[in-house]
Amino acid sequence: EAQVTQNPRYLITVTGKKLTVTCSQNMNHEYMSWYRQDPGLGLRQIYYSMNVEVTDKGDVPEGYKVSRKEKRNFPLILESPSPNQTSLYFCASGVDRETEAFFGQGTRLTVV
Amino acid sequence: KQEVTQIPAALSVPEGENLVLNCSFTDSAIYNLQWFRQDPGKGLTSLLLIQSSQREQTSGRLNASLDKSSGRSTLYIAASQPGDSATYLCAVRSGAGSYQLTFGKGTKLSVIP
Repeated sequence: EAQVTQNPRYLITVTGKKLTVTCSQNMNHEYMSWYRQDPGLGLRQIYYSMNVEVTDKGDVPEGYKVSRKEKRNFPLILESPSPNQTSLYFCASGVDRETEAFFGQGTRLTVV
Repeated sequence: KQEVTQIPAALSVPEGENLVLNCSFTDSAIYNLQWFRQDPGKGLTSLLLIQSSQREQTSGRLNASLDKSSGRSTLYIAASQPGDSATYLCAVRSGAGSYQLTFGKGTKLSVIP
């Protein structure tokens, strides 16, 4: 089944403890991206990647890192999480700009 | 910078009614527009994708239209059912050289049995 898989689905962590949210897609998509969703603010893009080893910032990249070493994987790294990074995170992938984007099931992160 | 607005923010209708959700965007230089459905605590499910050169797309009881020049799209849902209750999100892809979907804040739909 074609899908975008995020892990973990739920995570509670403490301020400053490094964490990684994984994202994997099995559709051989070139493009991948990360979004966060917050009440009243909607979904906002954090980072995106248009190919292996090619990444760029979205609208809200501060406090996040990404890497794209393999086509299928696009992990989101929080080196020193803070409470304002408590949010619902989504990974997405697509063939290119002109085709539909597919989203993962989301990761609910709470930083205390 | 692209901005996407969805009106209304919430909508409650009796079962069986036809309804229209609205989406507007500020920059008409888009690649495409995509409608999503989001159920509480769940991911985004793609409903329809309209390319910038298209006027409408249909899938079952759903019909989405696009008027790029005026910066508007509508999602028409025919014969609404309680299972249609969800938040509907509109997103536009624009920005040469980037890969970004700009989302509206959504319309929360409740279909009352």
